[in-house]
Amino acid sequence: QVQLVESGGGLVNPGESLRLSCAASGFTFSGYYMSWIRQSPGKGLECISYIGSSGSTKYYADSVKGRFTISRDNAKNSLYLQLNSLRADDTAIYYCARLPRSGNHFDFWGRGTLVSVSS
Amino acid sequence: DIQMTQAPSALSASVGDRVTITCRASQNVSTWLAWYQQKPGKAPKLLIYDVSNLESGVPSRFSGSGSGTEFTLTISSLQSDDFATYYCQQYNSYSGMYTFGQGTKLGIK
Repeated sequence: QVQLVESGGGLVNPGESLRLSCAASGFTFSGYYMSWIRQSPGKGLECISYIGSSGSTKYYADSVKGRFTISRDNAKNSLYLQLNSLRADDTAIYYCARLPRSGNHFDFWGRGTLVSVSS
Repeated sequence: DIQMTQAPSALSASVGDRVTITCRASQNVSTWLAWYQQKPGKAPKLLIYDVSNLESGVPSRFSGSGSGTEFTLTISSLQSDDFATYYCQQYNSYSGMYTFGQGTKLGIK
């Protein structure tokens, strides 16, 4: 069955960095677009980045453009998100989610990893 | 950017009730409209995609409809397992952006 497991979250100071990982299993990872969606009490659900199946297509929300970088390693069935210059308003649960081959929605989600930015 | 507004933000209902949640878009959207259910401490779960298609394994009491700027999620006969928060989500093919509504919390009356 499809499984997505995020890791790498934690408590950091403003301005610091983190790298999130998402380990995928149960499907042909290299055939799917993948995304990072975050959820915070103040901003609700926000799709902040997604990446095409080969890694050549990338999208970033304005809120993270220039600070976050999405990548993937299809040989390792893994998705990554590098978070730099973190701010307090980046505090959220970060979910890894799959987009289906046909359609523009999110059909499988991981359990999420919590990122807290505070001094 | 297309804004998605859900109504109501919260509602209370009883088991067996018929419940309707509305999602309004700030401009005309295509058929890229989905609905999710989220329970406390869990990730959102896909219920409906492309306005009215039921995701595999989702009970048939859930249905979706609408077009243009107004969409609805209907639960025909509320079950105890349905008390949760519901979100709509749209995709804008021009901007490549995915946007969620602010959520509707469905509680027990």
